[in-house]
Amino acid sequence: NAGVTQTPKFRVLKTGQSMTLLCAQDMNHEYMYWYRQDPGMGLRLIHYSVGEGTTAKGEVPDGYNVSRLKKQNFLLGLESAAPSQTSVYFCASSYNLAGTSGPLGETQYFGPGTRLLVL
Amino acid sequence: RKEVEQDPGPFNVPEGATVAFNCTYSNSASQSFFWYRQDCRKEPKLLMSVYSSGNEDGRFTAQLNRASQYISLLIRDSKLSDSATYLCVVKTDSWGKLQFGAGTQVVVTP
Repeated sequence: NAGVTQTPKFRVLKTGQSMTLLCAQDMNHEYMYWYRQDPGMGLRLIHYSVGEGTTAKGEVPDGYNVSRLKKQNFLLGLESAAPSQTSVYFCASSYNLAGTSGPLGETQYFGPGTRLLVL
Repeated sequence: RKEVEQDPGPFNVPEGATVAFNCTYSNSASQSFFWYRQDCRKEPKLLMSVYSSGNEDGRFTAQLNRASQYISLLIRDSKLSDSATYLCVVKTDSWGKLQFGAGTQVVVTP
């Protein structure tokens, strides 16, 4: 199993350009998440999905859109990139079955990250 | 105020020594607690969950103090491979939303 994969690994954009980050997981997880990580700050949730066809806003959703057309894929889009979106983006997934507690239900598995630089 | 706060460090630890550090959280309704490990330029990975009675996993011991709203991680007999950033993570919602601390950097030196 590949686990959680992300493409691309690194990207440089000019202000105003658009791009899509792809996250794929082969663990049959229901829940998927997009985070950004900036120096001195914890990971911050951008958007998340509780299942195929569903998405919801996280802590810092402005400037981003997402789609979950297939259970195994979660796409993060930047319509018009800004320098403030320079960051490392992590995708994660989890079982998180309703009512499940403990590591099986709560562990989030992360992809290797995408480093984005917006000039 | 951040929901999860950690001393950023670095904690410089001689090989074989013991190091401990804490994390505080602000939401008294927090349900679950974890330590994740993040190596430089890598993704976070679950190190261990933190249970109310405290728990050990090899050289790692985690404690939870709900009254004072902090969790701790202790590493015994530190190895060079323990050098990493340790993220304190708190689950605040029933569906699994996690709040991440900014991390505590540990550097184990020969």
